[in-house]
Amino acid sequence: DVKVTQSSRYLVKRTGEKVFLECVQDMDHENMFWYRQDPGLGLRLIYFSYDVKMKEKGDIPEGYSVSREKKERFSLILESASTNQTSMYLCASSSDRRGVLEYEQYFGPGTRLTVT
Amino acid sequence: DAKTTQPNSMESNEEEPVHLPCNHSTISGTDYIHWYRQLPSQGPEYVIHGLTSNVNNRMASLAIAEDRKSSTLILHRATLRDAAVYYCILRHPVRTSYDKVIFGPGTSLSVIP
Repeated sequence: DVKVTQSSRYLVKRTGEKVFLECVQDMDHENMFWYRQDPGLGLRLIYFSYDVKMKEKGDIPEGYSVSREKKERFSLILESASTNQTSMYLCASSSDRRGVLEYEQYFGPGTRLTVT
Repeated sequence: DAKTTQPNSMESNEEEPVHLPCNHSTISGTDYIHWYRQLPSQGPEYVIHGLTSNVNNRMASLAIAEDRKSSTLILHRATLRDAAVYYCILRHPVRTSYDKVIFGPGTSLSVIP
């Protein structure tokens, strides 16, 4: 079974703190994603990476950065946490070895971040 | 991305079949139909996908209309563990690094013991 794990299920941080969210996948997937999920807004893509050291902005990258130094690990960084970044953060991975976009994305359990 | 519409919520009795509908009238000829579900306090989970023919796997069946403008996810015997939000999405099979998944509001399924 594919496993995507996230470093914390729940996290509480103060405004202005630097926050690191870690994601690890064990299936040698090329693509990794960070989303946030908010009531009424659905899933929104923050950043994604399709290879080591590669990153691309998603729909809402402001206030976030990412790091992918190893294929299995994709980190999301909140440079200076703010209350509007309180959300559920979801990491996902996928493979494009088959070369077509019919494959599934595998999601981690999520990190519920509260910024006070 | 082509849009899908689903009922906001549905109820089912435990151990009865559940049919979750999805309309996608603007689907293109090469869009795949994917279903995910999200259990409370968990990340989304892939359920099934198909293109034209009906599909079965260990979790569910997917029935696709002949004109592909609608599909139905079938849970053959609902259990309490199937209570979740179910998302129907379309995905275009062009190889791209921008492979984001876009979820709409989905259908919240309640299972009654």
